[in-house]
Amino acid sequence: GNSVTQMEGPVTLSEEAFLTINCTYTATGYPSLFWYVQYPGEGLQLLLKATKADDKGSNKGFEATYRKETTSFHLEKGSVQVSDSAVYFCALSDRKPGYALNFGKGTSLLVTP
Amino acid sequence: NAGVTQTPKFQVLKTGQSMTLQCAQDMNHEYMSWYRQDPGMGLRLIHYSVGAGITDQGEVPNGYNVSRSTTEDFPLRLLSAAPSQTSVYFCASRAGTGEYFGPGTRLTVL
Repeated sequence: GNSVTQMEGPVTLSEEAFLTINCTYTATGYPSLFWYVQYPGEGLQLLLKATKADDKGSNKGFEATYRKETTSFHLEKGSVQVSDSAVYFCALSDRKPGYALNFGKGTSLLVTP
Repeated sequence: NAGVTQTPKFQVLKTGQSMTLQCAQDMNHEYMSWYRQDPGMGLRLIHYSVGAGITDQGEVPNGYNVSRSTTEDFPLRLLSAAPSQTSVYFCASRAGTGEYFGPGTRLTVL
């Protein structure tokens, strides 16, 4: 079956540091890949997505590239801010079941001033 | 534009009680889904619907029922609550660009 594995947290960085959160996946088909962000006490918001191999998703300074050869979709940001502190979820969507999202366990990020 | 709304925000139940978590969206999305979020587990799919009158099970459907009589509404019913159903529940609806999540319902079963 399909699954998503992302690095364990929590990750603590100083402001302006470089961020990488690793995500790898297992899928039987050709999934779409997503990163969602959850701020404290809120629901999930779509951060970026990629629908096919070599696509790069980007938003708010975050980027991730769909790497089929390594089955990875690592999230990166060149310079994090305190406001980026949140939980980040990697997810995939495949034809079964009904293109529903299959999530990783989440990575908590804390950015300190 | 309200997006996806969920009620209630918080709920405490006793074991064996039943209740319905409400979810509504005003974006005319055909696809809707329910997830539960537990510490260290990410989000797991409970049930989903690809349109009015059509529902199907996700990864963890036991103890939950759904129906979809309209495009807008997708309620989740707990028939006989158990402590294992203590969780945060998120409803979502989907457009081509991705899924939109509601703010969640925090449920505690004593």
